[in-house]
Amino acid sequence: QVQLQQSGPGLVKASQTLSLTCAISGDSVSSNSAVWNWIRQSPSRGLEWLGRTYYRSKWYNDYAVSVKSRITINPDTSKNQFSLQLNSVTPEDTAVYYCARAKSGSYLDWGQGTLVTVSS
Amino acid sequence: DIQMTQSPSSLSVSVGDRVAITCRASQSVSTYLNWYQQKAGKAPKLLIYAASSLQSGVPSRFSGSGSGTDFTLTISSLQPEDFATYYCQQSYSTPWTFGQGTKVEIK
Repeated sequence: QVQLQQSGPGLVKASQTLSLTCAISGDSVSSNSAVWNWIRQSPSRGLEWLGRTYYRSKWYNDYAVSVKSRITINPDTSKNQFSLQLNSVTPEDTAVYYCARAKSGSYLDWGQGTLVTVSS
Repeated sequence: DIQMTQSPSSLSVSVGDRVAITCRASQSVSTYLNWYQQKAGKAPKLLIYAASSLQSGVPSRFSGSGSGTDFTLTISSLQPEDFATYYCQQSYSTPWTFGQGTKVEIK
């Protein structure tokens, strides 16, 4: 059974960097079949995919166009986790952030969610 | 990006009712279509994958159909634990996108 445990601050000041971590148990961040994602949810944007990282003989990253200039997702093989950094945040980045594991086109497992509020 | 549009946005139903939620894609997604259930304060949960395959552990009263651009999630007999918001999601092309959700409420 795969479990994803999120950690990170729930309050970030505008213009600063949002940082979250997703610790994985029951699978490996280096899996050749899984894809590791960050998704956020807000009343105004709904469920919005932000980006992903995955390993297929080498590491790959894909990011949503809406955040591409501000986002970094990094795997950490030593701790079996992956992280999200979103720079230069504004109040519009206020949302519940989820990490999620995808296989074969579906989000199979999700973290518990972290409400991140950006204060101006 | 592929746009996913669900209808209705909300519906009020009674326990035992048959419920159908539709999802339309802005272009063909073949059968790369999934359905999720989300309860308040919780993460979404996968119900149906590949348009019509039931995820392990999901009750058989849930079913999915469709291909191309038009899809339907059906709940054959609504149970009290089924009151929630339902989302469709396409994985035909990146970025994978979600519908706006359909909230199923108690009448």
